[in-house]
Amino acid sequence: GNSVTQMEGPVTLSEEAFLTINCTYTATGYPSLFWYVQYPGEGLQLLLKATKADDKGSNKGFEATYRKETTSFHLEKGSVQVSDSAVYFCALSDNTDKLIFGTGTRLQVFP
Amino acid sequence: EADIYQTPRYLVIGTGKKITLECSQTMGHDKMYWYQQDPGMELHLIHYSYGVNSTEKGDLSSESTVSRIRTEHFPLTLESARPSHTSQYLCASSEFAYYEQYFGPGTRLTVT
Repeated sequence: GNSVTQMEGPVTLSEEAFLTINCTYTATGYPSLFWYVQYPGEGLQLLLKATKADDKGSNKGFEATYRKETTSFHLEKGSVQVSDSAVYFCALSDNTDKLIFGTGTRLQVFP
Repeated sequence: EADIYQTPRYLVIGTGKKITLECSQTMGHDKMYWYQQDPGMELHLIHYSYGVNSTEKGDLSSESTVSRIRTEHFPLTLESARPSHTSQYLCASSEFAYYEQYFGPGTRLTVT
């Protein structure tokens, strides 16, 4: 079946460090891929998306590239801030009406 | 401003009480969803709807029920709350032809 695997957290970084959160997926066909962010005490917010191979989604300095050959959609940011501390979820839609979420990766950024 | 709302944000209630968690969206979306989020952060789909008078059970079995009488409103009801229902409940909606979902702020339910 379809699934999403994320790296376990927490990921702990100093401010201005480079961020990578790994996400790989298993799916038949051509899924759409998403990154969501959840700040403490809030719901999930759509961060970025990509709908076909080699697409790059980007928003707020974050980016991720849809790599079909490696079935990956890793999230990156060149310089993290304390305000980026949150839980990040990778998700896929296999073009049904449901999203399949990874287990989430907590990011902690220290000044 | 188009948005998705959940009330209450926090609820502490005793065992055996009936509760309804409200979810409303002003985006005109056809599809709506309820998720249960456990303390380990994992999300579990418990109910979804394609539109008015449509409700489906999700991947995680739940004792809750839902209704969809109006497009913008998708309430979740627990007839008799138990401590095992303690969790964060997230509502989401999605446009008919698209797959990305937009989430409300959540309701944190504690049953004592």
